[in-house]
Amino acid sequence: AQTVTQSQPEMSVQEAETVTLSCTYDTSESDYYLFWYKQPPSRQMILVIRQEAYKQQNATENRFSVNFQKAAKSFSLKISDSQLGDAAMYFCAYRSTSGTYKYIFGTGTRLKVLA
Amino acid sequence: DTAVSQTPKYLVTQMGNDKSIKCEQNLGHDTMYWYKQDSKKFLKIMFSYNNKELIINETVPNRFSPKSPDKAHLNLHINSLELGDSAVYFCASSQVSAGRGYGYTFGSGTRLTVV
Repeated sequence: AQTVTQSQPEMSVQEAETVTLSCTYDTSESDYYLFWYKQPPSRQMILVIRQEAYKQQNATENRFSVNFQKAAKSFSLKISDSQLGDAAMYFCAYRSTSGTYKYIFGTGTRLKVLA
Repeated sequence: DTAVSQTPKYLVTQMGNDKSIKCEQNLGHDTMYWYKQDSKKFLKIMFSYNNKELIINETVPNRFSPKSPDKAHLNLHINSLELGDSAVYFCASSQVSAGRGYGYTFGSGTRLTVV
């Protein structure tokens, strides 16, 4: 069975600085998807970025980028030029490309942005 | 226009009661999900329906019963509520038949408090 681990329960970053959130996963599959979701205090789950395992190029969305290391089963999220609105829980998620397509979520990292 | 809407957003009820949470999506997606987020923010899948067919039924007490009258709706009925059922329940949808790479669209969650 697949597992997702986020080893940092909480992180802090100064406004305008860069922060990296870690995620590792375990799977025997070769093809899958990885996601980062943001959950602000409003509790809405917002998709931040998505990575397809068969693509070597790291995904980028504006200030958000990932470092995908398939062999190491690592999928970290880098937030550049951090803003106060980035403060939230961040969840890493794994999804198979077959079967039921359910997400396996990590336990989340709470990001605080300091003014 | 809300893509995935859940009602109610908040639900406070006494132990032993029966309650329902409704979910509707207007995205034309073929698959809908219920996730439970516990007090430690951990997200775990409960059920999933694909075109009205139950495809995921995780280890959930049989007091929980999903119902999907059509592919745009997935409701969750809970009998004999217990204190431990207190959590945030998220509905989500995705277009699985389109194949690769589609993430979930989440509803805004229903905070259930059992007293």
